[in-house]
Amino acid sequence: EFQLLESGGDLVKPGGSLRLSCAGSGLTLSNVWMGWVRQAPGKGLEWVGRILSKSSGGTRDYPAPVQGRFTISRDDSRNTLHLQMNSLKDEDTAVYYCTASTVGGGFDVWGQGTVVTVSS
Amino acid sequence: DIVMTQTPLSSPVPLGQPASISCRSSQSLVNSDGNTYLSWLQQRPGQPPRLLIYKISNRFSGVPDRFSGSGAGTDFTLKISRVEAEDVGVYYCMQVTQHPYTFGQGTKLEIK
Repeated sequence: EFQLLESGGDLVKPGGSLRLSCAGSGLTLSNVWMGWVRQAPGKGLEWVGRILSKSSGGTRDYPAPVQGRFTISRDDSRNTLHLQMNSLKDEDTAVYYCTASTVGGGFDVWGQGTVVTVSS
Repeated sequence: DIVMTQTPLSSPVPLGQPASISCRSSQSLVNSDGNTYLSWLQQRPGQPPRLLIYKISNRFSGVPDRFSGSGAGTDFTLKISRVEAEDVGVYYCMQVTQHPYTFGQGTKLEIK
């Protein structure tokens, strides 16, 4: 069974930084396309960024709201994905999920999420 | 960015009756490889999203066959043939044809 487990969520002040982690079990994260998705309280899902598999070049892409502030990285030795979040804003408050695609064209593995609260 | 628009946003359905959710994209979701990367996700209360359907009509492993997906180009539909109590939650369409990937606003399915 494939599993993802996020950690690192916390209360942080505006302008601060936080690093989230996503540990994989049952699957090798470098072999699949992965992403981060967030969900603000009471709101819908928002894509935060992706990292392609090693075989696809490991490219990382981000949407405009987080471009230049968020960085995805992968630690292959620990089979872990990270999301480094800098210059945090109130509107970054959300549950952050990591997700992986083991089927072509769909993200089928999801973690339970970790809560990030940005507030003074 | 591709905008995904779902209708309805709320759907009260009696147990055992069918339900249907529509999703329209602001541009064609046909990828250069010929595939259409439109997925449907279910999010039960307090749970992470769960993949139901990918590439328009492929049911993911373990998903009951009462769930089906159809459509092409810019118009897509998720159908539940007979709603059960465990189907309560929010349903999202999601396109993974073009980055940044985008979601519909979500449709809340309730039991009437």
